[in-house]
Amino acid sequence: AQKVTQAQTEISVVEKEDVTLDCVYETRDTTYYLFWYKQPPSGELVFLIRRNSFDEQNEISGRYSWNFQKSTSSFNFTITASQVVDSAVYFCALTLVGQGGSEKLVFGKGTKLTVNP
Amino acid sequence: EPEVTQTPSHQVTQMGQEVILRCVPISNHLYFYWYRQILGQKVEFLVSFYNNEISEKSEIFDDQFSVERPDGSNFTLKIRSTKLEDSAMYFCASSEFWNTEAFFGQGTRLTVV
Repeated sequence: AQKVTQAQTEISVVEKEDVTLDCVYETRDTTYYLFWYKQPPSGELVFLIRRNSFDEQNEISGRYSWNFQKSTSSFNFTITASQVVDSAVYFCALTLVGQGGSEKLVFGKGTKLTVNP
Repeated sequence: EPEVTQTPSHQVTQMGQEVILRCVPISNHLYFYWYRQILGQKVEFLVSFYNNEISEKSEIFDDQFSVERPDGSNFTLKIRSTKLEDSAMYFCASSEFWNTEAFFGQGTRLTVV
């Protein structure tokens, strides 16, 4: 079975601090994709990044960076110099190459990040 | 920028009533999905749809649920006889191919009273 664990339920930081959101996944498959989504207070799910299981290169996009380590089955997300607008629930998700080619996302429980001014 | 659109944003219905949630996926996307999120909990997969048929469904997606693509643009989720525990945010999503990222709509908050 596939599982995504986000052990941090809530994190609170002060603006300009760096913060790392942890994500640990479980799967027996060798081919899979990992995602991060942001859910701001307005409720929608905003896609942030997709990473396939064969690409362990870290990625940086502005203040966001992701650290994928297959050896520890982790896909952690770091926000540098956090801002109040980063306050949201962040979900890590996993998808496999499903039968029939469909994509089914398995989500973690989310980490609620609050950035205080 | 293309986006997935869901209507209505909020629906209140009485227990036992039928409800239809509507979605307009991104126009060139081929795969469509419904997910739900009970308040404060994680997002759960309900069903995926491709080539006018269900590709995969979860154990949540029982006989009370059905999906349909009645025309070239809409994708609907019907709950035949709503229960209190169906109260949740329902998200529609679409992706261009099976291995590309899914884009989500803004959600429909369903409240069953």
